[in-house]
Amino acid sequence: DGGITQSPKYLFRKEGQNVTLSCEQNLNHDAMYWYRQDPGQGLRLIYYSQIVNDFQKGDIAEGYSVSREKKESFPLTVTSAQKNPTAFYLCASSDRQNQPQHFGDGTRLSIL
Amino acid sequence: AQSVTQPDIHITVSEGASLELRCNYSYGATPYLFWYVQSPGQGLQLLLKYFSGDTLVQGIKGFEAEFKRSQSSFNLRKPSVHWSDAAEYFCAVGDPVAGTASKLTFGTGTRLQVTL
Repeated sequence: DGGITQSPKYLFRKEGQNVTLSCEQNLNHDAMYWYRQDPGQGLRLIYYSQIVNDFQKGDIAEGYSVSREKKESFPLTVTSAQKNPTAFYLCASSDRQNQPQHFGDGTRLSIL
Repeated sequence: AQSVTQPDIHITVSEGASLELRCNYSYGATPYLFWYVQSPGQGLQLLLKYFSGDTLVQGIKGFEAEFKRSQSSFNLRKPSVHWSDAAEYFCAVGDPVAGTASKLTFGTGTRLQVTL
């Protein structure tokens, strides 16, 4: 079955620590996205990538970093510079053939 | 820049009653339009999409939406709600010039509660 796999489902970060959220897709989609979801604020775009080895900042990129070395993978690192990282993080992918964004099941990040 | 407004934060309906969730957008032309549904702790599932053509769009789970250019709206409807429809619903817009391999702008969501 094709889809998007996000891991882990739950993640805890200590103060001053970087953590990396994994996102893998086997849909052969060109584009991948990271969103942050907070209660009452909908989804806000962190970063997106439309092609391997290229990515663009979204609306709330500060304190986050990404890489896109493979078409299937788009990991998100939450750095220690992100002072309020507690949120639900969603990864999505889409392609250029009119396929809308398809979402993973999310990772919930909390601070210890 | 495009934007999306979902005026209703929370809606409660009785099982079997009809449902309409509102979505208004701001965009210079006709955007791509989407409705997604999210159950607690889960990702988003696409209910339906509008790219062009017939303004009444049918989706999964018995949902439909109507694009009204004059009102810049894309409201989601269901004639008879089931208890399993309780979830959060998000409207989103995309830029047709950029295509589907580009970012979406989401509304803040409407939480639907269904009473038995």
